[in-house]
Amino acid sequence: EVKLVESGGGLVQPGGSLRLSCATSGFTFTDYYMSWVRQPPGKALEWLGFIRNKANGYTTEYSASVKGRFTISRDNSQSILYLQMNTLRAEDSATYYCARDRDWGAMDYWGQGTSVTVSS
Amino acid sequence: QIVLTQSPAIMSASLGERVTMTCTASSSVSSSYLHWYQQKPGSSPKLWIYSTSNLASGVPARFSGSGSGTSYSLTISSMEAEDAATYYCHQYHRSPPTFGAGTKLELK
Repeated sequence: EVKLVESGGGLVQPGGSLRLSCATSGFTFTDYYMSWVRQPPGKALEWLGFIRNKANGYTTEYSASVKGRFTISRDNSQSILYLQMNTLRAEDSATYYCARDRDWGAMDYWGQGTSVTVSS
Repeated sequence: QIVLTQSPAIMSASLGERVTMTCTASSSVSSSYLHWYQQKPGSSPKLWIYSTSNLASGVPARFSGSGSGTSYSLTISSMEAEDAATYYCHQYHRSPPTFGAGTKLELK
């Protein structure tokens, strides 16, 4: 059974940092691209970035809104995906989801989400 | 970036009613890279339809998807109570991947 479990969310002050984790199981982690997507309360989904699979060198891509502030990485030995978030702003407040990317970019499995609130 | 415009933003349907919602892209998207997700309040999104017309595992056959180029749609042949949710379209044709703003489907 494929599972993705996010953790690490919480309350952080503006300008602060937070690292989210996404523990995965039930599939060969290194075979897949993995994405981070967020959703502010009551709003739509926003793609933040992805990290490619082993075959594509684990390289990363980011949305313009987080490029330079957020970093996606993966621990392939433990099948964990990370999102390091720096210089956080109030508008980064959202539920953050990790997702597995399958063929054609469809995100076929999602975690339950972890909530991040940026406020003083 | 490719902007996906979903319409209507909110709709309601009665049990048994046929439902159609649309997703219009600001530029052409390959049908292989256009997907739909279902999300219910308090839950994560679920992949619902991938590559325009392929139902994800467990999705009832009353759902269908179609489209090409800049115009795509999701149809429910006969509305059931469990179909009340928000549906998002998503394109991965060109970076950055983008989502539509969603269509909220309510039971009338």
